Amino acid sequence: DADVTQTPRNRITKTGKRIMLECSQTKGHDRMYWYRQDPGLGLQLIYYSFDVKDINKGEISDGYSVSRQAQAKFSLSLESAIPNQTALYFCATSDRRELFFGEGSRLTVL
Amino acid sequence: DQQVKQNSPSLSVQEGRISILNCDYTNSMFDYFLWYKKYPAEGPTFLISISSIKDKNEDGRFTVFLNKSAKHLSLHIVPSQPGDSAVYFCAASDNGGATNKLIFGTGTLLAVQP
Repeated sequence: DADVTQTPRNRITKTGKRIMLECSQTKGHDRMYWYRQDPGLGLQLIYYSFDVKDINKGEISDGYSVSRQAQAKFSLSLESAIPNQTALYFCATSDRRELFFGEGSRLTVL
Repeated sequence: DQQVKQNSPSLSVQEGRISILNCDYTNSMFDYFLWYKKYPAEGPTFLISISSIKDKNEDGRFTVFLNKSAKHLSLHIVPSQPGDSAVYFCAASDNGGATNKLIFGTGTLLAVQP
């Protein structure tokens, strides 16, 4: 089983719909992150959390929100999805030296 | 403004030869650098890192070189193997490895030809 698990792995939705991407981890790390990957733009940080009571905006947080339900769970929400949020989304955890990524969630907004 | 730049979107190398992937950065506060490797349909995985107090770090076939004055780092893979074919991301942090905000480059697709 993967240490960092993302659900769903693939999702197609329509403009204006609310979408939640979920992430859970078994690594016992306090720090969790959401990144977005677009072709030609690399990985961009959306939000990160150092513990359950700590949430921080990253480079591109507009249009997104997050919830840290427990140490092991960090979810990303798109309240009203738009087509330019079509991307590959990665959750990650950190042991303060490196990031450990999930396998990604591919989201398509029509 | 791209703080971490990988100017070569792709690189093709023959098996057994050296692969050199390059990365430039603009923020002089960056003090910790990492390389990640990504296969299709998988998340990125950590490959090697280097602190700004060093100019070289080696791990098996992989060596990272850091030139602080030029704000440039490179990843050398010797010898290259077909299984090394993947996208390689350079990343940087200004927290001495705390990774609270890793900034990634755009990636270089390496193809190692048998």
